Amino acid sequence: KAGVTQTPRYLIKTRGQQVTLSCSPISGHRSVSWYQQTPGQGLQFLFEYFSETQRNKGNFPGRFSGRQFSNSRSEMNVSTLELGDSALYLCASSLGGQNNEKLFFGSGTQLSVL
Amino acid sequence: AQRVTQPEKLLSVFKGAPVELKCNYSYSGSPELFWYVQYSRQRLQLLLRHISRESIKGFTADLNKGETSFHLKKPFAQEEDSAMYYCALKSSGGTSYGKLTFGQGTILTVHP
Repeated sequence: KAGVTQTPRYLIKTRGQQVTLSCSPISGHRSVSWYQQTPGQGLQFLFEYFSETQRNKGNFPGRFSGRQFSNSRSEMNVSTLELGDSALYLCASSLGGQNNEKLFFGSGTQLSVL
Repeated sequence: AQRVTQPEKLLSVFKGAPVELKCNYSYSGSPELFWYVQYSRQRLQLLLRHISRESIKGFTADLNKGETSFHLKKPFAQEEDSAMYYCALKSSGGTSYGKLTFGQGTILTVHP
């Protein structure tokens, strides 16, 4: 069974640009969550999608958005990039909705904003 | 607001010594607690969860609601235990889908 796949692995962008990251969950998983990981702030929750609907959202500005497709694949978009957006972006998938559910993480996309 | 605190950023022990990674949480309801681990050059993965009351790779963790703690313990550390360990909390109930609140992590190094 293939794991959670994130593409691309690395991205370099400049301030003001926008970027789209992709996540393919484990087959059969309908929930996809996104996290930002930085040395200073650690792992912070961005949002979660289930059946193409955003069910939960963290405390990030509106420049951060996402969506989920009917095959459960998800994309995350960041517009008007700022230097502080440089981070490792992790995607996690799960069956979606059960208590104490295990999250399966991808390897992440390392975004550098210059 | 919920919060997870891992007071030790770095923890070093010798092989065969006991190890305890501390985790304290702040949450008014009934939490779901997890330990995730990231070995070198590997992805973040679940180690154990409090609801299972299981021992994984010799590690155990007990939820202490009185002290609001969920410390991770292993009686005899092995070199392969060297990794970054994250304590994470999920609020119970129907609105916390996919949302884990993570501590800052503890880097455990087990010396030969």
